[in-house]
Parts: sequence; C-alpha cells; structure tokens
Amino acid sequence: DTGVSQNPRHKITKRGQNVTFRCDPISEHNRLYWYRQTLGQGPEFLTYFQNEAQLEKSRLLSDRFSAERPKGSFSTLEIQRTEQGDSAMYLCASSLSKDQPQHFGDGTRLSIL
Amino acid sequence: AQSVTQLDSQVPVFEEAPVELRCNYSSSVSVYLFWYVQYPNQGLQLLLKYLSGSTLVKGINGFEAEFNKSQTSFHLRKPSVHISDTAEYFCAVSSFFQGAQKLVFGQGTRLTINP
Repeated sequence: DTGVSQNPRHKITKRGQNVTFRCDPISEHNRLYWYRQTLGQGPEFLTYFQNEAQLEKSRLLSDRFSAERPKGSFSTLEIQRTEQGDSAMYLCASSLSKDQPQHFGDGTRLSIL
Repeated sequence: AQSVTQLDSQVPVFEEAPVELRCNYSSSVSVYLFWYVQYPNQGLQLLLKYLSGSTLVKGINGFEAEFNKSQTSFHLRKPSVHISDTAEYFCAVSSFFQGAQKLVFGQGTRLTINP
C-alpha cells in the first residue's frame, strides 16, 4: 500500500492561468474522489469517479473546472482561467468499495497571485 | 441534506490530560460516521469509523468515539493526550450515491497540547 499520491504538492500561479493537478490512487481502488479545502474549513466534495466514469459533480465545480480519469487509474483536475477564490488545498481520496473508508493524499496547495 | 457541527473550533489541553472533541450531525437516513486527523500540510488520516454495531468505537493512537443516535452525536475522546496529538480533527458523515460515499465534513477542531 503506497498510499494516494498527489502532484504537485504546491502550485503558485497568476490569476487567469490554467493549472492541472494529478492524483494517483491506491492501485486496487476503483473509486476516486476530489475535495477542496479552504483555509480554516473542512474539505468539501467536488467530484467522484468509479473506474473511468465520472458519476457525480458538485455545484462547486464550475465550468472552469474539469476532471478526468481516462483509464480508470490516475486522475487529473484542471482549472481554467484561475481566480483568487480558487486558492485552496485540493485533496484526492480513493476507496476500494462503497463501504470502505476513503484514503486521502497529502493534497495540492494552490495559491493564486 | 446532511450536516456536521463541531462545537469547538479550538481546544487547548495540557499534556497527559483527557480530551473530548464534540461532534453533532443531522441526517434523515442512517449514516456512517468518521473522525479524521490532519497534521500541518498533510492530507487526512482516518482515526476511526462507525458503520454499525457497538456504539463505542476504538481507533488508532488511543482515540475512541461513542455514537449516540438519540443525541445525534459522535464525540471523540482520549484519556491522556500527548504533544504529538496536536493537529486539526475533522468529524464527517457519509451519504451514499451511485455506489460510493460522499463525505460531509465539519469545520474542524484544532487540538493544541501544552506541556
């Protein structure tokens, strides 16, 4: 069990730029989740994949956000035309089945200048 | 809709003292309940979970929690804390959809252990 891996750990970018984050789940986990955590708050659900299918998207996920999991393994989260309000920690989690707990990565911290 | 309220945003305690972190939830259906810990600049680590069965749940690092359905609470306790327990603690409730869990988190409680 190598754990959930997220890259990069930190990303600093100028407002208006596009950014992409990567998440590698635990190898046998077919369920993958993205959450966003702003300073002083708990994580908020963004989206969920079962294998390569994106089955749920939060209203928090505006049109500027897109997530993919093309081969049912790693996933990417892209934010286009970043805004100040996008500054947050983006967390990825994976689980083996519906009833099993989610295992979280260490997150990608995004800072918008 | 489900929600979680963590009643204390910060809890300072002295080393080796007992601690209780309070969590209340609201849900119209049966739920699973979790406590996660987050150390600075890290992700969340599962402390313990309640799925069903015994209402007293034991987790890692000496923590335990008690599920109280009538009071809709899931308070976290530890009889004697250590400096290394300093961290942010999150209570979460899950709902099920499309074959997966969606976690709804509280705002967190910052536990600070003083020597």
